[in-house]
Amino acid sequence: AQKVTQAQTEISVVEKEDVTLDCVYETRDTTYYLFWYKQPPSGELVFLIRRNSFDEQNEISGRYSWNFQKSTSSFNFTITASQVVDSAVYFCALSEREYNDMRFGAGTRLTVKP
Amino acid sequence: EPEVTQTPSHQVTQMGQEVILRCVPISNHLYFYWYRQILGQKVEFLVSFYNNEISEKSEIFDDQFSVERPDGSNFTLKIRSTKLEDSAMYFCASTLSYNEQFFGPGTRLTVL
Repeated sequence: AQKVTQAQTEISVVEKEDVTLDCVYETRDTTYYLFWYKQPPSGELVFLIRRNSFDEQNEISGRYSWNFQKSTSSFNFTITASQVVDSAVYFCALSEREYNDMRFGAGTRLTVKP
Repeated sequence: EPEVTQTPSHQVTQMGQEVILRCVPISNHLYFYWYRQILGQKVEFLVSFYNNEISEKSEIFDDQFSVERPDGSNFTLKIRSTKLEDSAMYFCASTLSYNEQFFGPGTRLTVL
């Protein structure tokens, strides 16, 4: 069975600090897909990134970067120079097959203070 | 840019009543999903739908729930006899490929 653990329930930082959100997953499949979604206070789910299990390259997109390590079953998300607008709940999710359902972690609530 | 839409944005109902939540997926998408999020909790998978039938469902999706794609554009979730614990945000999602599931804005269901 697939499982996603986000051990950090809440994180609070001051603007311009860097912050890393942890995600650890469990799966028996050798092919799987990992995702990060952002849920701002307005409630919608905003897609941030998708990673295939066979692509361990880290990715950077502006202030966002992702570190995928199969050896530790982790897919961590770093925000550099955080801003107040980054305040949201961030969910990591795992899908074991193409088109399959996603299983979400419990989410990490990030608060960025001015 | 095409998007998934959901109606209504907020539904209030009495316990025991039937509700139908509606979704219009992105038009060329083939795979459809319902998720729910109880307030303050994680997003939970309910059901996936492909080729006019359920492809997978979770343990939450019991006999009280059903899904339908009645007219080739709408994708509905019906709850036959609502319970207090059905109060949640319900998200519809659709996808064409494995790149991402596109989520709708959600319907907040309140059962009194």
